[in-house]
Amino acid sequence: ETGVTQSPTHLIKTRGQQVTLRCSSQSGHNTVSWYQQALGQGPQFIFQYYREEENGRGNFPPRFSGLQFPNYSSELNVNALELDDSALYLCASSSRDNEKLFFGSGTQLSVL
Amino acid sequence: AQSVTQLGSHVSVSEGALVLLRCNYSSSVPPYLFWYVQYPNQGLQLLLKYTSAATLVKGINGFEAEFKKSETSFHLTKPSAHMSDAAEYFCAVSSSGSNDYKLSFGAGTTVTVRA
Repeated sequence: ETGVTQSPTHLIKTRGQQVTLRCSSQSGHNTVSWYQQALGQGPQFIFQYYREEENGRGNFPPRFSGLQFPNYSSELNVNALELDDSALYLCASSSRDNEKLFFGSGTQLSVL
Repeated sequence: AQSVTQLGSHVSVSEGALVLLRCNYSSSVPPYLFWYVQYPNQGLQLLLKYTSAATLVKGINGFEAEFKKSETSFHLTKPSAHMSDAAEYFCAVSSSGSNDYKLSFGAGTTVTVRA
C-alpha cells in the first residue's frame, strides 16, 4: 500500500476528446510527478509539480497539462487525444524527507 | 542528459538460481540510480537506490546492486530466485542529476522464474 490513489483505473476515449486523470497523494507529500508508460516500454516523465507549481517537464507537448491542489490531490489533463496517447499513466509522490517515491497503480487510457 | 540502458528485455531463470539484470547508465554528473519492480496491473515499487554512498546497495526482497563507475553499470542481482520474483524490472536515473525524482527509465526487463 503506497498511499497514492489514482482514478479511474481504466478509461476509454476517442481521438480528439479531452481527458482528466486524478491522483490523491499522502498527506505531506508536496511533490507529485506524472509518467506515461506505453505498452512494453518504461515510464516516461511527463512533468512534476511542487507546492502547486510546475517544477520540470519532460518531452511532452502543451496539450498535456496538470494541476496540484493544497489537499495533496492532483490532475493530469490531456487535450485533443491522439491514438498514441493510449498508455498507462502513473502518478507518484515523494515522501516528506524526499527519500522515496511512491507510485499509484495507474490509469489505463485507451484512445480509439 | 542522463539515461539508462537495460541489456536484455527478457530473462528466464530457474527457481533458486542467480538473478542478474544489467543496467548501464550515461550521466554527465554523479548519478542517482534506482531499480524498480512492477507486478502485473500495479504501479512501480522501489527495490533500491544509489545516491553516492556505498557502492554496494542492498534493497528489499534480497536484491542488491553494485555501482561501478569504471563500467558505468548498476547491475541488479539476487542470489536465489523465488517464484514471486517474476515481474518486470526497471532501472532508472534521475534525469536532472539530483534527488528530485524526475526519472529517466530503461525499457525494462521481464523476469520469468521456472519451477
